[in-house]
Amino acid sequence: DAMVIQNPRYQVTQFGKPVTLSCSQTLNHNVMYWYQQKSSQAPKLLFHYYDKDFNNEADTPDNFQSRRPNTSFCFLDIRSPGLGDAAMYLCATSSRYRGSYNEQFFGPGTRLTVL
Amino acid sequence: GENVEQHPSTLSVQEGDSAVIKCTYSDSASNYFPWYKQELGKRPQLIIDIRSNVGEKKDQRIAVTLNKTAKHFSLHITETQPEDSAVYFCAASIGGSNYKLTFGKGTLLTVNP
Repeated sequence: DAMVIQNPRYQVTQFGKPVTLSCSQTLNHNVMYWYQQKSSQAPKLLFHYYDKDFNNEADTPDNFQSRRPNTSFCFLDIRSPGLGDAAMYLCATSSRYRGSYNEQFFGPGTRLTVL
Repeated sequence: GENVEQHPSTLSVQEGDSAVIKCTYSDSASNYFPWYKQELGKRPQLIIDIRSNVGEKKDQRIAVTLNKTAKHFSLHITETQPEDSAVYFCAASIGGSNYKLTFGKGTLLTVNP
């Protein structure tokens, strides 16, 4: 089945130690998103790629970076994780070219713990 | 930017009753309004969506209504079942964008058997 896959599902890192989360998709969607979701809160958009074009949200901390080497893969790099970065990180995709292209398909998320 | 308000934050109903969740948005250019269901520890999943050229949409026990003049939209679930228990998020497209969303803060729906 076409899907959005995130690895790892659970990630534990130490304060200040860089960490990379990965997302892959078999939907061939041209838009990919990274959201941060803290407990009992709504998903908060960090940035998205529209094809190869990177779009950062104004309030996304500089500590967060992203890479999209090809259509299928997208990475979230947290350069120096702080305790406040502990959260669920959700990857999502959508297709800009199809009639129902607004729908965003979410991956299962990576739960990040910062010690 | 777009602001989406969602109420109530928690909702408890008896099995078989109806549940209604309401959202308001601020950007008159928003034209796409999805609803996502997120069960504990799982991914958000789209359950229904509506576009600005439609006032109401139904899919079995769920329906969404949109009032563009008043800038509010609602989710209606009839004949609720325990498996409907989850957090429900409304969202609105940001400005003229068709691919960026702002989410409401979510409603925890509990359906009591």
